[in-house]
Amino acid sequence: EIVLTQSPATLSLSPGERATLSCWASQSVSSNLAWYQHKPGQVPRLLIYDASNRAAGIPARFSGSGSGTDFTLTISSLEPEDFAVYYCQQRSKWPLTFGGGTKVEIK
Amino acid sequence: EVQLLESGGALVPPGGSLRLSCAASGFTFSIYSMTWVRQAPGKGLEWVSTIANGGGSTYFADSVKGRFTISRDNSKNTLYLQMNSLTAEDTAIYYCVKAKYASSSGIFDSWGQGTLVTVSS
Repeated sequence: EIVLTQSPATLSLSPGERATLSCWASQSVSSNLAWYQHKPGQVPRLLIYDASNRAAGIPARFSGSGSGTDFTLTISSLEPEDFAVYYCQQRSKWPLTFGGGTKVEIK
Repeated sequence: EVQLLESGGALVPPGGSLRLSCAASGFTFSIYSMTWVRQAPGKGLEWVSTIANGGGSTYFADSVKGRFTISRDNSKNTLYLQMNSLTAEDTAIYYCVKAKYASSSGIFDSWGQGTLVTVSS
């Protein structure tokens, strides 16, 4: 099983600041990595797929990068609605796996 | 507009069984693989199972293998999850999820609202 490790577990930032979230895979997943945003009481939302492609309707302040085992989700300037939990997920090998999540909270 | 409506969640005793359903609309159900993802209270997202568009291939997390069965009825645009030998660790919100592409699974672009399964005596 491919284990995805996200860091940090919690990120405390203020609106307008830049957020950098990391996801490491225990073995190469090539570019087969997605990022999701999950807010309390809402359903998860696809942000980024195939490491760097923004999903439909996702603002340009969200960007993804990386390949192989190291990946990054960057939010260039945090908006109030961006405070949420973010998960990475790989589809390179079965079983599909999610990372443990990074909570982006208001400082 | 894609709509995924789960049903069947309930309170069930340990060792019990439950079948979840997911009614799909707004897209050509029969050409997309479908997936169940769950979230236990206070925990992260966990992939549970995926079924290919024709139903011929199925995949399961180790935590549910041998206990859960995934199936679909393309004539009814409905996805199912049969859950047997339930334990407290299966307590979670179960989401029905659609793949982004008809040609591959594993990118989850549409999610249902979820249905709550509680395993407790």
